Amino acid sequence: ETVLTQSPVTLSLSPGERATLSCRASQSISKYLAWYQQKPGQAPRLLIYDASNRATGIPARFSGSGSGTDFTLTISSLEPEDFAVYYCQQRKNWPPLTFGGGTKVEIK
Amino acid sequence: QVQLVESGGDVVQPGTSLRLSCAASGFTLSSYAMHWVRQAPGEGLEWVAALWYDGTKQYYADSVQGRFIISRDISKNTVYLQMNSLRVEDTAIYYCARCPPTDWFFDLWGRGTLALVSS
Repeated sequence: ETVLTQSPVTLSLSPGERATLSCRASQSISKYLAWYQQKPGQAPRLLIYDASNRATGIPARFSGSGSGTDFTLTISSLEPEDFAVYYCQQRKNWPPLTFGGGTKVEIK
Repeated sequence: QVQLVESGGDVVQPGTSLRLSCAASGFTLSSYAMHWVRQAPGEGLEWVAALWYDGTKQYYADSVQGRFIISRDISKNTVYLQMNSLRVEDTAIYYCARCPPTDWFFDLWGRGTLALVSS
């Protein structure tokens, strides 16, 4: 099973600041990583797939990078609606599909 | 409108069964792989089961293998998760999610349904 480790667990930032979230895989997953945003009481929403492709309707302030075992989600300038929990997910080595433990981006 | 709507969640006792449903609208199930993903209270996301886009293959997490069955009814455009021999640790919100046929990232999610297993 491919384990995904997200860091930090919590990120405290102010609106307008840049957020950098990390996801590290226990073995190579090539480019096959997705990022999701989840707000309280809501289902997750796809942000990025295949490491760097923005999903339909996702603002350009969200960007993804990386390959192999190390990946990054960057939010260039935090908007109030971006404070949420973010999960990464790999689809290279399955079953099982696996998710990271999540990073909570909270208001400082 | 393209959406997924889950139903069937309930409070049940350990050892019993529950069937969840996921009604799809705005697209046809035969064009997508369908999955169930769960989230225990206050926890992260856990993939549970997958059904190949043509309905020929099913995959399960080790934690539910042999107890859960994923299936679909094309005529109703609905996916099901039959959950047997339920355990307390199966308590979670169960989300239905859609993937492109061979690219398994989740591009559409339902709002989820809560299954609570408690004595």
